[in-house]
Amino acid sequence: EAEVAQSPRYKITEKSQAVAFWCDPISGHATLYWYRQILGQGPELLVQFQDESVVDDSQLPKDRFSAERLKGVDSTLKIQPAELGDSAMYLCASSWGLSGNTIYFGEGSWLTVV
Amino acid sequence: QQQVKQSPQSLIVQKGGISIINCAYENTAFDYFPWYQQFPGKGPALLIAIRPDVSEKKEGRFTISFNKSAKQFSLHIMDSQPGDSATYFCAASGAGTALIFGKGTTLSVSS
Repeated sequence: EAEVAQSPRYKITEKSQAVAFWCDPISGHATLYWYRQILGQGPELLVQFQDESVVDDSQLPKDRFSAERLKGVDSTLKIQPAELGDSAMYLCASSWGLSGNTIYFGEGSWLTVV
Repeated sequence: QQQVKQSPQSLIVQKGGISIINCAYENTAFDYFPWYQQFPGKGPALLIAIRPDVSEKKEGRFTISFNKSAKQFSLHIMDSQPGDSATYFCAASGAGTALIFGKGTTLSVSS
């Protein structure tokens, strides 16, 4: 069964350092999402791509976070500089198209900022 | 941001019992309502989903009940098993928006 691949699975970084997460969606999925999930809460959307274009990044803290999907396939989420409050699981997900389609999540990337 | 409100926050059910989790939404433009199941250390996985043109959908032991006028929907797990112990999230989307999730319900099924 096709899966959404994410790496790294776990990352510990010091405050003020840069960190990056990578995601490879299910083949053929045009829509890619990055969600952040704080322990004990539901996932919250950071950014949504349709192919290589950003559809929604209204909740992305753009002073420190950036996301790209240059060729409309895999994607990178970067945080610079990392802050203690960024400790969370970063989930990548993909779907065939915009709303109403099943969204498939990866296993997530756990970030701990010390 | 539009919200999806989920209750209860946690639930303990005896093996074989019925687990019921409720969600309420605000945006009438929402037209897709899935439930996701998440085990510790894993990403959420789709369990079952419903669209507002039907009032109920059943898949095995899992049933979604949908009340469009009340803007509420619920998940029923029949014959709950210890393997169902997980965190459950309701969500909603519509009009090209990404899924908005509830805060989750931690279900524990005791044997």
